[in-house]
Amino acid sequence: AQSVTQPDIHITVSEGASLELRCNYSYGATPYLFWYVQSPGQGLQLLLKYFSGDTLVQGIKGFEAEFKRSQSSFNLRKPSVHWSDAAEYFCAVGPGYSTLTFGKGTMLLVSP
Amino acid sequence: DSGVTQTPKHLITATGQRVTLRCSPRSGDLSVYWYQQSLDQGLQFLIQYYNGEERAKGNILERFSAQQFPDLHSELNLSSLELGDSALYFCASSVVEGAALGGYTFGSGTRLTVV
Repeated sequence: AQSVTQPDIHITVSEGASLELRCNYSYGATPYLFWYVQSPGQGLQLLLKYFSGDTLVQGIKGFEAEFKRSQSSFNLRKPSVHWSDAAEYFCAVGPGYSTLTFGKGTMLLVSP
Repeated sequence: DSGVTQTPKHLITATGQRVTLRCSPRSGDLSVYWYQQSLDQGLQFLIQYYNGEERAKGNILERFSAQQFPDLHSELNLSSLELGDSALYFCASSVVEGAALGGYTFGSGTRLTVV
């Protein structure tokens, strides 16, 4: 069965500092990997996705993620965090033909 | 606006009652997924429909049921409600079955409070 682990429940980053959110997955084949962001009171918005090819993928809002097969990881990064990035971030994994499994999320707090 | 519409946005009801949550998928999407989000369990997959047929079941209680209608909208029925059913219920849709063509598009959710 597929699973996702986001080891950090909360992360606090200063505005302007870099960010890395961790995601480790368990899946038997080449996975489809996603990062979503959820702002308070909102639904989940897709930030970026990885299916195949280049292991460094670019997303919206200046985010990027790197797929590392050897480490079963798909960490999300941003070089400079803005106060508006404060939200909850979810990593998800699954086969392309069926349902996604989500991690429990990492809450990002941005300090001035 | 994601294109996925969920109604109502908020629902407060008493234990033992039955409620229906509604979802209209994004135009052109054939697949609908229901997820339950709670603080302790995170996002839990409940059930998936594709073009009117049930395709996958997750951690859905027997008290819960769903269907997808010919116009592709879906309804999630929750009965004999308990306090523990209080959660945010999300609907998501995709063009095909699964996330292969770009992931899911989520609605803004229905917040259910059982008192």
